[in-house]
Parts: sequence; C-alpha cells; structure tokens
Amino acid sequence: GESVGLHLPTLSVQEGDNSIINCAYSNSASDYFIWYKQESGKGPQFIIDIRSNMDKRQGQRVTVLLNKTVKHLSLQIAATQPGDSAVYFCALTRTGNQFYFGTGTSLTVIP
Amino acid sequence: GAGVSQSPSNKVTEKGKDVELRCDPISGHTALYWYRQSLGQGLEFLIYFQGNSAPDKSGLPSDRFSAERTGGSVSTLTIQRTQQEDSAVYLCASSFSSQETQYFGPGTRLLVL
Repeated sequence: GESVGLHLPTLSVQEGDNSIINCAYSNSASDYFIWYKQESGKGPQFIIDIRSNMDKRQGQRVTVLLNKTVKHLSLQIAATQPGDSAVYFCALTRTGNQFYFGTGTSLTVIP
Repeated sequence: GAGVSQSPSNKVTEKGKDVELRCDPISGHTALYWYRQSLGQGLEFLIYFQGNSAPDKSGLPSDRFSAERTGGSVSTLTIQRTQQEDSAVYLCASSFSSQETQYFGPGTRLLVL
C-alpha cells in the first residue's frame, strides 16, 4: 500500500508571505503527484501536478517540488493571498488505479 | 464546459434506509472515482471505473456499498441499510484516462440519523 503524511495539519501565514506545504510518501514506485485545494463546502480543485521524471514544476504563483530520494513533495505558494485560505491535499499514484491522498493541511492567511 | 456534477447535494436519511448517490462525469472522461471524506479527514478511496474494464472495488468498506456505471458515463453509488458511521461527504471525480488529473464534483453530504 501507500501512506501519505503531511508535516503540519495547520499553517498560518501573513498575507504577502510565501507558504510551503509538505507531503511525505512511502512508496518509491509512486510516479504521479497532484496538489489539490479544497475550500469549505466544495470538492477538491486541481492546482498543479508533477510526474516522477521531473523535480520541479511551476504554475501561476505555485511551484511543486519533488524529491524522490527522500520521498518528499512540497507545494510553494508565492505572495499568499486571503483567497488561498483552504485545505491543501497531496495525492499520488503508482498504478493509475488508486490515488492515495494525504490528510490535508489547513492554510489560514492572516490579512 | 460542464464539470463533474453530483446529486443530491445533501441527503438526510434514517438508519437502516438505502440511499443512492449520483455522479455525472465530464463528457469524454473514461475514468471515474468515488471517495468518502469524513469531517476533517482526507479522502478515502472507494471504487474506480475505467472504460469497460471491471471496476476496482478494493476500497469499498463493506458489502452494503456498491456502485454502477452505466454506458460508461453516469455512476450511482448505493449504500444499503445505512449506518450512522456512513455519514460523510461522498465525492466523485473523473479523468480523461487513468493516471491523469482528476476533476472533482462538489460532493454529496450524507447524514444518517
């Protein structure tokens, strides 16, 4: 199987600062990784993904870093805004059949 | 275009009753997933459909849970003889194919009294 853990269940940051949310996974065969954002009362929303042949990928204000050596995944949000307040999940798969999700980090942005 | 839709958005039922939850995936998506999310928890995989292949039912918690996907599109998750511990948000997601980005619906909030 797979276990997925986040380093911090909650994170508070000042508006304008950068946020870093981390995920650790156990199965080195995992080869596709996704970060989702979930706002209260809504389903998870795709943010960014990365495959195992890469170690970094950038989107708009977000960067995902993958360290396969230590089985660690992180999401960096630049210039965090109040609208970024949500729960963030990492998800990963190795078979394509079943995705494993972390328990989520609740990000609170302080104005 | 339309995203993943789920109905009903909320469902309150009495213990012992059966419930049916519906998911309409994004048109053209061959993969469909069901997850359960309890309050403050992560997503628990339930079942996965890919095209015409036999579904992966490895996440279903008991034989009270079943799911169908008719015509490779709409899916129904059925919970028989509901129990209070079944109370959760049931999320459906679809993707163009396996190991592609999953797009989630808004979920069905189930409360079993």
